[in-house]
Amino acid sequence: QVTLRESGPALVKPTQTLTLTCTFSGFSLSTSGMCVSWIRQPPGKALEWLALIDWDDDKYYSTSLKTRLTISKDTSKNQVVLTMTNMDPVDTATYYCARTLNAYSSRLFFDYWGQGTLVTVSS
Amino acid sequence: SSELTQDPAVSVALGQTVRITCQGDSLRSYYASWYQQKPGQAPVLVIYGKNNRPSGIPDRFSGSSSGNTASLTITGAQAEDEADYYCNSRDSSGNHLEVVFGGGTKLTVL
Repeated sequence: QVTLRESGPALVKPTQTLTLTCTFSGFSLSTSGMCVSWIRQPPGKALEWLALIDWDDDKYYSTSLKTRLTISKDTSKNQVVLTMTNMDPVDTATYYCARTLNAYSSRLFFDYWGQGTLVTVSS
Repeated sequence: SSELTQDPAVSVALGQTVRITCQGDSLRSYYASWYQQKPGQAPVLVIYGKNNRPSGIPDRFSGSSSGNTASLTITGAQAEDEADYYCNSRDSSGNHLEVVFGGGTKLTVL
């Protein structure tokens, strides 16, 4: 049974760095083809993909946010970590991690999602 | 990066068929996947690939694609299908992997 759970601070101040951890079970990020993505959703708005890390430690970022994002993994702990620097109130959102399959084919999809964690950016 | 365009809102009478569309240049190269999101909940995958349903998704959900448009069809919509629906695909505009989501469609079942 695949599960993912996001954890991190609920409140950060502007200019601070956000660190979120995705702890997962039911699959291994060392298995070929396995990837984990981070996706966020501002209140009342659409989903936005942020970053992806694959089983081989290759990393990809949203073009619009790549200067602020870093994704990493700890395979032994079944964790993926996302850091986002220079947080701003517009970054207030629910942040999700999701298992990602077929990332390098024409059929990429997110089959399991965490419940999400709401991060508010405010002084 | 490229964009995926969805109608903001669609309504359907209970038991009728509704089609939700997603348009974008990336869909000429990549399949869309579709997600259902109910208030306060995480998205749930309902369609992926050419027309594949994950285990547990009712067969009234189906997907199709033509040119730059992908469609999610619900045949015999039920009250519990009222939700926001998002499409996504890989982004074809760059030379590296990137993913794009549509703006979402709010489905109301009347």
